[in-house]
Amino acid sequence: EPEVTQTPSHQVTQMGQEVILRCVPISNHLYFYWYRQILGQKVEFLVSFYNNEISEKSEIFDDQFSVERPDGSNFTLKIRSTKLEDSAMYFCASMRQGLKVATNEKLFFGSGTQLSVL
Amino acid sequence: AQSVTQLGSHVSVSEGALVLLRCNYSSSVPPYLFWYVQYPNQGLQLLLKYTTGATLVKGINGFEAEFKKSETSFHLTKPSAHMSDAAEYFCAVTGSGYSTLTFGKGTMLLVSP
Repeated sequence: EPEVTQTPSHQVTQMGQEVILRCVPISNHLYFYWYRQILGQKVEFLVSFYNNEISEKSEIFDDQFSVERPDGSNFTLKIRSTKLEDSAMYFCASMRQGLKVATNEKLFFGSGTQLSVL
Repeated sequence: AQSVTQLGSHVSVSEGALVLLRCNYSSSVPPYLFWYVQYPNQGLQLLLKYTTGATLVKGINGFEAEFKKSETSFHLTKPSAHMSDAAEYFCAVTGSGYSTLTFGKGTMLLVSP
């Protein structure tokens, strides 16, 4: 089965530093997502991306966050100035079509990047 | 708006016993419901989903779930647990007009010999 790949698997950074989390979605997918899970809490939606622009974002996704698809294969999440509360597991996901469009589509998740902000 | 409540952060069963993981949802629109499983060091994998039609949904690895609108529930069951079922299980909901998932907190399934 095709896979969504995320790198690195673990990232440790100092508070206030910028981090970039990288994802390679499945090659024929068009919809891309970032979710995160703070330890002991729910998996939370951050942002969805389609046609080279953000289609939806949650209240968590403030000005410190940005996403980019720089080269047609990678999908990145940048946190400009990390805070302690950004420590979480970040999941990238992709779908061939959006959930709005087709009910038979499957959302594929990567294995996550564990971000630790010290 | 939608939300999901998973009762029990941990469920322990013996190998061969019935697995029951509870999920209740709230949704202002007809829901689409999902169960995902996460094995250690792996991403979330779709077990099964309900969109429309038959309310009893069968998924991979012998799991099934039943959508009960009157109870706003979508509990996950498996008749006989296997050691390999030990993982964290997440229930999620979206509405047909939405493109994002709202997840529950997850339930860790522990299977003992």
